[in-house]
Amino acid sequence: EPEVTQTPSHQVTQMGQEVILRCVPISNHLYFYWYRQILGQKVEFLVSFYNNEISEKSEIFDDQFSVERPDGSNFTLKIRSTKLEDSAMYFCASEQKDRGPTDEQFFGPGTRLTVL
Amino acid sequence: QQQVKQSPQSLIVQKGGISIINCAYENTAFDYFPWYQQFPGKGPALLIAIRPDVSEKKEGRFTISFNKSAKQFSLHIMDSQPGDSATYFCAASTSGAGSYQLTFGKGTKLSVIP
Repeated sequence: EPEVTQTPSHQVTQMGQEVILRCVPISNHLYFYWYRQILGQKVEFLVSFYNNEISEKSEIFDDQFSVERPDGSNFTLKIRSTKLEDSAMYFCASEQKDRGPTDEQFFGPGTRLTVL
Repeated sequence: QQQVKQSPQSLIVQKGGISIINCAYENTAFDYFPWYQQFPGKGPALLIAIRPDVSEKKEGRFTISFNKSAKQFSLHIMDSQPGDSATYFCAASTSGAGSYQLTFGKGTKLSVIP
């Protein structure tokens, strides 16, 4: 069964450092998402990406964040200068283009980011 | 306006019992309501979803009940099993152009005890 994969599973970084979180979406999917989940809290939308551009972003997704699809398979989230409050689990998700009755966003296992 | 309110925060059910989790929303533009199941250390996985043109959807032991006028929907897990112990998130999204983001509830931690 196809699945979304994410690397690394756990990233520890110092405050102010740049981090890149990587995702490989399901191969025939065209919509891509990043969500985050601070420990014990709900999953929050960060950004959606379609046709090589951002289609929507939340208030959380400020200038410190960027996304990229550098090749045909990877989808990355970059945080330029990490803050303590960026510590969270980051989930990548992907979705097929057709918004039929069985729409589903498939989530990866997440990357736990710890900012010290 | 964009919030999805979920209750209870935690739930303990005996094996074989019925688990009920409730959600309420405010944005009438929401037209897709999925429930996600999350086990520790894993990403959320779609369990079952409903659109507002039906009031109920059943898949195996899992049923969504939807009340459009009250802007509420709920998940019922019949014959709850210890393997159902997980965190459950309700969510909602719209079908507007380019606006497919999921808005999640805060989650319900379900524990099914033998």
